[in-house]
Amino acid sequence: GAGVSQSPSNKVTEKGKDVELRCDPISGHTALYWYRQRLGQGLEFLIYFQGNSAPDKSGLPSDRFSAERTGESVSTLTIQRTQQEDSAVYLCASSLYSGILQETQYFGPGTRLLVL
Amino acid sequence: SQELEQSPQSLIVQEGKNLTINCTSSKTLYGLYWYKQKYGEGLIFLMMLQKGGEEKSHEKITAKLDEKKQQSSLHITASQPSHAGIYLCGAGASGGSYIPTFGRGTSLIVHP
Repeated sequence: GAGVSQSPSNKVTEKGKDVELRCDPISGHTALYWYRQRLGQGLEFLIYFQGNSAPDKSGLPSDRFSAERTGESVSTLTIQRTQQEDSAVYLCASSLYSGILQETQYFGPGTRLLVL
Repeated sequence: SQELEQSPQSLIVQEGKNLTINCTSSKTLYGLYWYKQKYGEGLIFLMMLQKGGEEKSHEKITAKLDEKKQQSSLHITASQPSHAGIYLCGAGASGGSYIPTFGRGTSLIVHP
């Protein structure tokens, strides 16, 4: 596709359930980023991938959060045993490369997660 | 780590008025991005500034990068309701870090 896509666009789940969020980056983009945006707050960096590896996982809030990327393409962010504080918009972005000082990131529309 | 502070946090203007949003960095800015986020939607890339003194325009939106002040400003001329949204500044990875930094955003409301 022409841009970054994310699915589902909206997700309502019950506390304690696991959820899986998907990101399809722009074709050919080697770098992929996950962010969380809570209501009224800025972007919170979660994790980034260079190819299929994740050099930096320091932004993941807890061990309930995990992410993987395969084929230098699709990435999934999994949240286990969801809590109400996990409710947020989860944004994915991709860029051609990473590690280059200035590299434009292109964002997907986000997945709005609501944990009841 | 680099921090970006945006001001003001929110802005309400009458249609047709001019406005300016500022983004100040705690470290030297080698470049900066501006994004717009419509309420409930993803981020839309507006422009990227790389050189000190650089100025770019897109329709009625102009952004400047002042490296000496470690600051960038976004100026909207003759604002319209379609300009409403959240404007975020972001800086690319620097200092050996691959993690980009973003400001907290400026919420803009334009009254018709």
